Amino acid sequence: SQQGEEDPQALSIQEGENATMNCSYKTSINNLQWYRQNSGRGLVHLILIRSNEREKHSGRLRVTLDTSKKSSSLLITASRAADTASYFCATDAVSYNTDKLIFGTGTRLQVFP
Amino acid sequence: DTGVSQDPRHKITKRGQNVTFRCDPISEHNRLYWYRQTLGQGPEFLTYFQNEAQLEKSRLLSDRFSAERPKGSFSTLEIQRTEQGDSAMYLCASSSTRAFFNEQFFGPGTRLTVL
Repeated sequence: SQQGEEDPQALSIQEGENATMNCSYKTSINNLQWYRQNSGRGLVHLILIRSNEREKHSGRLRVTLDTSKKSSSLLITASRAADTASYFCATDAVSYNTDKLIFGTGTRLQVFP
Repeated sequence: DTGVSQDPRHKITKRGQNVTFRCDPISEHNRLYWYRQTLGQGPEFLTYFQNEAQLEKSRLLSDRFSAERPKGSFSTLEIQRTEQGDSAMYLCASSSTRAFFNEQFFGPGTRLTVL
């Protein structure tokens, strides 16, 4: 079963705009990770944020984590057509006592040139 | 290329046939994971290995599914008597317990179509 949900399910923007997608999860976590998936391809790891961190940056990516609300957001600044992909958050839940990742349902991002 | 590789990339089979997929993890990674992804959904965990030991299996992994990692390196996932509901992308990932965080690196996936 999915751990949580991403919001929105789909997002369309113009190149140069910022894209924000949100992720909610259900249980206490060790870490939260964001992955990108181009159509029909495997997942590419973008960024990991630990449960004791609140914000993290990597290039044009900014991730926030609010463990009290069990939610995270991914911001892509100055988007490019190449950012078109599906984006998933994934957590490794403390309560499961395992390293398996539990994925959300994903946000499909379309960036128009 | 030192990333995770999977073979084949695509497999089309008839219902009732057996299929086997292979995953080669990043060479220094001792953990290997299998996930399944259906259209429009996020990946769902199937099973994982630490070295050659299979540590956990999801309830999604029915008795028609079997996974092995005999020498702690590559892994195979076999589906016997395939059903149309098995059509999905099968993803393999690897990680290292020596890494501080559980960052998993994914392969390109094997897309299975059962006719």
